Amino acid sequence: DQQVKQNSPSLSVQEGRISILNCDYTNSMFDYFLWYKKYPAEGPTFLISISSIKDKNEDGRFTVFLNKSAKHLSLHIVPSQPGDSAVYFCAASDHNQGGKLIFGQGTELSVKP
Amino acid sequence: DAGVIQSPRHEVTEMGQEVTLRCKPISGHDYLFWYRQTMMRGLELLIYFNNNVPIDDSGMPEDRFSAKMPNASFSTLKIQPSEPRDSAVYFCASKPLAGGYNEQFFGPGTRLTVL
Repeated sequence: DQQVKQNSPSLSVQEGRISILNCDYTNSMFDYFLWYKKYPAEGPTFLISISSIKDKNEDGRFTVFLNKSAKHLSLHIVPSQPGDSAVYFCAASDHNQGGKLIFGQGTELSVKP
Repeated sequence: DAGVIQSPRHEVTEMGQEVTLRCKPISGHDYLFWYRQTMMRGLELLIYFNNNVPIDDSGMPEDRFSAKMPNASFSTLKIQPSEPRDSAVYFCASKPLAGGYNEQFFGPGTRLTVL
């Protein structure tokens, strides 16, 4: 039973365009959401997060949107760059669970020059 | 800071052998997490510790897996006996505060291959 789902295993985008990565969750107790980026042969690195009391958080080219009623979040990257090519993981946590993160399957983004 | 350190980076072993993976968390972090990444299941949490005490081991696949944290700067994940289906990348991560929303910091992972 997967509580966090990323239904697109891969996404290909042209350099300069917008990349939109999607994530759905089922547990209404989740109150904090994170996106991680992972390059081959490296560990995931934190990218951006959002609390359930917000619906948007922006950091430079990266924006995360949260739709609690739909239990859906998305990561927008504008403009996309070839260096953004990586696997992106969505993660969710419930603060009553001691910071435990539940990860999605990941989406491999390829940004073509 | 050196970040989370894991060793070895790669391990190839034969079915039935014991495997020990090691992790040194970031100094001062209260939480330590062990994850496994496979193509089929993505990133799964196996177990996590708070102040060296195991809090949730519900993700540990079976009794062949065990994890210890003898002190704040060291943890091990042991598989005995290992099986080919244990082949995966194992990540260790640490987190600085008890509770709260701080993100986890991951090590580079150990790629385990069981033949």
